[in-house]
Amino acid sequence: QSALTQPASVSGSPGQSITISCTGSSSDVGGYYEFVSWYQQHPGKAPRLLIYDVSNRPSGVSNRFSGSKSGNTASLTISGLQAEDEADYYCSSYSSYGPSYVFGTGTEVTVL
Amino acid sequence: EVQLVESGGGLVQPGGSLRLSCAASGFTFSSYWISWVRQAPGKGLEWVGNVNQDGGTTHHVDSIKGRFTISRDNPQNSLFLQMNSLRPEDTAVYYCARDRYGRGSHDLWGQGTLVTVSS
Repeated sequence: QSALTQPASVSGSPGQSITISCTGSSSDVGGYYEFVSWYQQHPGKAPRLLIYDVSNRPSGVSNRFSGSKSGNTASLTISGLQAEDEADYYCSSYSSYGPSYVFGTGTEVTVL
Repeated sequence: EVQLVESGGGLVQPGGSLRLSCAASGFTFSSYWISWVRQAPGKGLEWVGNVNQDGGTTHHVDSIKGRFTISRDNPQNSLFLQMNSLRPEDTAVYYCARDRYGRGSHDLWGQGTLVTVSS
């Protein structure tokens, strides 16, 4: 059950769009179940759910956050980047191994 | 208020045991899968395991199998993580998290409780 692979850091200027990738395998991200979630975590805080089931947003989450998936790679796009988006982001996927869930390695987003 | 509150963390020696609790309020606790997720200092999130609505089914990550046990007490709206044979690499903040749709969609998290395994 290896962690899903995310870029260590991504940066962008206010108003720009950025995309964070999350690469796994056919046993998790690319598997039969489309159970990929994305979380935002500010320092010292608990994670917050942004996206579930690849592309669904819970109520209260800004539509600036969107999710997609192609093959073994899922992606989170943040559009109209804002200072408050500066945080760590984690993907997560159901894994047929176990079964279990596996998180990504995490991506630090910096707003320039 | 809808919330999860963890307790029971602390300093324990290698090989020791600790029992974490997670108290739920403000929602129908017995309707949800609940997970434990941990985060080592300065590191990423790691899913530890989960338990289904009636407590009859649990799943765990390989690294804790045979050492940790997840259970729940629905009448008391509580979740537990019994940790035995603790190792320094188990040092982390432990979160309990509600799985909203039972598909890894953890929409409600506690504040976390720190477990430090050290001599």
